[in-house]
Parts: sequence; C-alpha cells; structure tokens
Amino acid sequence: ILNVEQSPQSLHVQEGDSTNFTCSFPSSNFYALHWYRWETAKSPEALFVMTLNGDEKKKGRISATLNTKEGYSYLYIKGSQPEDSATYLCAFEGSYIPTFGRGTSLIVHP
Amino acid sequence: KAGVTQTPRYLIKTRGQQVTLSCSPISGHRSVSWYQQTPGQGLQFLFEYFSETQRNKGNFPGRFSGRQFSNSRSEMNVSTLELGDSALYLCASSSGLAAYNEQFFGPGTRLTVL
Repeated sequence: ILNVEQSPQSLHVQEGDSTNFTCSFPSSNFYALHWYRWETAKSPEALFVMTLNGDEKKKGRISATLNTKEGYSYLYIKGSQPEDSATYLCAFEGSYIPTFGRGTSLIVHP
Repeated sequence: KAGVTQTPRYLIKTRGQQVTLSCSPISGHRSVSWYQQTPGQGLQFLFEYFSETQRNKGNFPGRFSGRQFSNSRSEMNVSTLELGDSALYLCASSSGLAAYNEQFFGPGTRLTVL
C-alpha cells in the first residue's frame, strides 16, 4: 500500500497571508504528481500535473514545486483570499495508478 | 462545452442490491476514470476506461465493475452492496491521448447503502 501523506491536515489563515502545504510520496516508481483543489459542494478541480524532478508550476497566486528524489511536493498560495478556502489534494501516480493523500483543508478568514 | 455529468446524483439502496451509476464525459474525451470517496479512506481510484477498454484498475473487489460505450459514456456497477460501499462516487474525463492529461471531474453520485 503506497503512503501519500499531506500536512498539515487543516490550516486557518487570515486574508492576505501566504501559506504552503506539503505532499510526501514514495520516491520510487514515480510517474506524475497531481494537485487538485476541492471546494465544498463542488467537483475537484485540477491545478497542476508535475512530472520532472525540479518542476515548478504556477497558476496565478498558486505555485507548486516537485522533488522526486526525496519524495515531496510543496504547494504555495501567495496572498490568500477567502475564495481560496478549499481542500487541496495531491495524488501520486506510480505505474499509472493514482494514490491520493487525505488533503489539506484551508480556511481563509476575511 | 458541457462538463462531465453523472446520474443519478443521489441514490439509496439496501444491502445485497446492485447499483449502476452513469457518467457522461466532456465531448471529445475518450478516457473516463472512476473514484470512490469515503470519510475513512479518502479518495480512491477504482478504474479507468479508454476507448471502451479498461486501461487501469485500482485495488477494489470484483463486485465493482465498469464499462464504456462507443460514445465514451461510462457506467459503473456495484453488485451485492455492502454498508461500506456508502460513498461519493466521482468520475473524471480526459482526452486520454497524451501521457499526462488534465482530468475534469463530475459532480458525483452520493450512494447510501442501508
């Protein structure tokens, strides 16, 4: 059973704060690492697909980095806004099968 | 472009029954993946279909099966329902043609087994 860990489990920040979460995954048989945002009562939304060691991706105020050798990825949100409140999931894809972490629940207070 | 649709949105069944869930992908998408979300296990991959063939399969018992039609619509069937099958079932579609495809998720079907 593959172990994909996300930390912290939950996070409360104030509007304007920058924050980051971690996704840890096995460092062997790496194929891809996915990040998703899942807002309450909505469907998960793909943020990034990361495939190469050292990858850095950016979408607006959200960015992510990848280290496949040590098995971790960071997701950063700069200047958090209330609309960023959601659960952020990572999924490790090894041998084409995705294994999800339990997610980091982010709440941004106005 | 219409998004991924799933029917029904809510379903209540009793133990021992079977259930069929439906997923219509985004037009032009040929890959459909199914996932189960439970409070205890989180989001877990069930299987992926591409061009009517199962391409990948997660670690679920044989009671969980699926199929895909020529128009890329997919169905998932669960036979002999157990209480533990109560979950949110999500499907996601992608083009399936490139090595790493962005997945678009449907709204899910909430299944309750009594």
